[in-house]
Amino acid sequence: QVQLVESGGGVVQPGRSLRLSCAASGFTFSSYGMHWVRQAPGKGLEWVAVIWYDGSNKYYADSVKGRFTISRDNSKNTLYLQMNSLRAEDTAVYYCAIEIAAATVYWGQGTLVTVSS
Amino acid sequence: DIQMTQSPSSLSASVGDRVTITCRASQTISKYLNWYQQKPGKAPKLLIYAASSLQSGVSSRFSGSGSGTDFALTISSLQPEDFATYYCQQSYSPPPMTFGQGTRLEIK
Repeated sequence: QVQLVESGGGVVQPGRSLRLSCAASGFTFSSYGMHWVRQAPGKGLEWVAVIWYDGSNKYYADSVKGRFTISRDNSKNTLYLQMNSLRAEDTAVYYCAIEIAAATVYWGQGTLVTVSS
Repeated sequence: DIQMTQSPSSLSASVGDRVTITCRASQTISKYLNWYQQKPGKAPKLLIYAASSLQSGVSSRFSGSGSGTDFALTISSLQPEDFATYYCQQSYSPPPMTFGQGTRLEIK
């Protein structure tokens, strides 16, 4: 069965960096686009970034452009989100998700990132 | 970017009620509209994709309709497990894959 497991969250000071990982199994990872979506405490869902199945294209929300980098290693079935220059407003649960037929069909359980001094 | 507006933001209903949540896009998105259910502390779950297609394993009391700019999610007969927050999402011109602000469905 499809499984996505995020890791790497934690408490970090403003201005510092953090790298999230999403380990995928149960499907052909190299065939699908992958997304990061976040949810601030008590708030709605916010799309963060997408990467094409082969890593050839990457797109970002304006709120993270220039600070976050999405990447993937298809040999390791793993998706990444490098987050630099973190701000308090980046505090959220971060989910990875698989895109199938223009929908984010399968989601991980999420990892919490808290940006605080 | 395409903006998605859901209504209502919150809704109180009883078990057995028929409920409809609407979602409006700021420009036409054909049928590129998905609906998700999220329960507290859990990841979102895909219910409906392409405006009206029921995701595998999802109860048939959920249905979606609409095209262009106006869409609706209908729950035919509310069950206790349906009380949750619902989000629409456009996938017509990603990126970004914009979400609506959510509709919280509560027990009356």
